[in-house]
This record gives sequence, C-alpha cells and structure tokens, in this order.
Amino acid sequence: KQEVTQIPAALSVPEGENLVLNCSFTDSAIYNLQWFRQDPGKGLTSLLLIQSSQREQTSGRLNASLDKSSGRSTLYIAASQPGDSATYLCAAPMDSSYKLIFGSGTRLLVRP
Amino acid sequence: NAGVTQTPKFRILKIGQSMTLQCTQDMNHNYMYWYRQDPGMGLKLIYYSVGAGITDKGEVPNGYNVSRSTTEDFPLRLELAAPSQTSVYFCASSYATEPAFFGQGTRLTVV
Repeated sequence: KQEVTQIPAALSVPEGENLVLNCSFTDSAIYNLQWFRQDPGKGLTSLLLIQSSQREQTSGRLNASLDKSSGRSTLYIAASQPGDSATYLCAAPMDSSYKLIFGSGTRLLVRP
Repeated sequence: NAGVTQTPKFRILKIGQSMTLQCTQDMNHNYMYWYRQDPGMGLKLIYYSVGAGITDKGEVPNGYNVSRSTTEDFPLRLELAAPSQTSVYFCASSYATEPAFFGQGTRLTVV
C-alpha cells in the first residue's frame, strides 16, 4: 500500500532564499507524483505533475524532481517570496487509478 | 469558468443529524472525488466516481454515501453525524490522466 510522507512539517525562511521541500513514498511502482499548494481556508491548486517516465518538471520558479528508485520527490522553489507562503502537499496514486494518497504537507513561511 | 463548486462553505451539525454536501463541476470531467482533511493532516479519499452511475469506496468511506446521476454532480451524504466527522471536505474532478481541480472546501463541525 502506498504511503506518502513529508518532512519537515513546517519551514520558515527569509525572502530570497532557495529552498527544497521533500516528499517520500513507499511504493516505487509509482504512476505519477503531484505537488499541490494550499492557502489557508482554501482548496488545493495543482502545481506540477510528474509522470513516472519523467525525472522532473518545471514551472516558473518551481522545479519538481522524481526519483523512483529512492522513493523520493523534491520541490525546489527558487528565490522565495512572501507570496509563496502556503502549505505544500505531495500526492501519489494508490494504484493504477487516479485515487490519490496525500502527504500531511509542509507549511512554508517566507519572511519579508 | 466556475470549475468545481461546493456548497455550503460552512455548516454546524448536531450529533445524529444528516446532511448532503453538494459538488458540481462544469468541466465535463469523468472522474470526481470526495476527500476529507483533518487539522494538520493530508487529505484522505472518502469516495470516488469514474462516471455517471459508477461510484466506489476510498480509504475512509464509513458514515458516508454518494451518488452520481449526472456527469456534473457528485453529492456526499452524511447519515447520523458524529463528532469524528468534523473536518474540511473537498470535492475534486479530473480527466483520468490530468491533474485534479479542487473545490474551495466545506468546513463541517459536528457538536
């Protein structure tokens, strides 16, 4: 059964710093891995989806990588801004379907 | 372009009451999902549907029921509400191979 873990639970950095958020999963036969952003009291916004055949995806200042052999994905945020403050969740499918297993998230605070 | 719309946004229920959380999407997505999120936790799948008339259980289905009579609508029914069902509920939809779109959530408190 797929399990998804995110460490740390919370992270505080000064504005401008580059940072990495970590996501671990137990089943390396992963179909894809998705990163979401959640603002307080809001729904989830999909940031990046990496298919199992890909090693990374980029969108603006965000870069997500996928290493199936080690069971890890990272979300790299370049030149962080206060507007990046949010909770970041990663999720992987339970199996060959699109039912997602979520990590518990990393709460990011970027200080001005 | 409304996306995924959930109603109500907030609700307080007494123990033993029932209610239906509404979810509508206007993107003609075949897949729809209901998740719950407890404080400080990730989301857990309650039920999902791959098309009208087809539903199946997720990780935490006990105490809930769903139906999918149309492509657009996927209501979640709570019968005999319990304090353990206090949570934020999210509806989502997607095409099978694409990222899911999420609603804004329904914050439910059972007292």
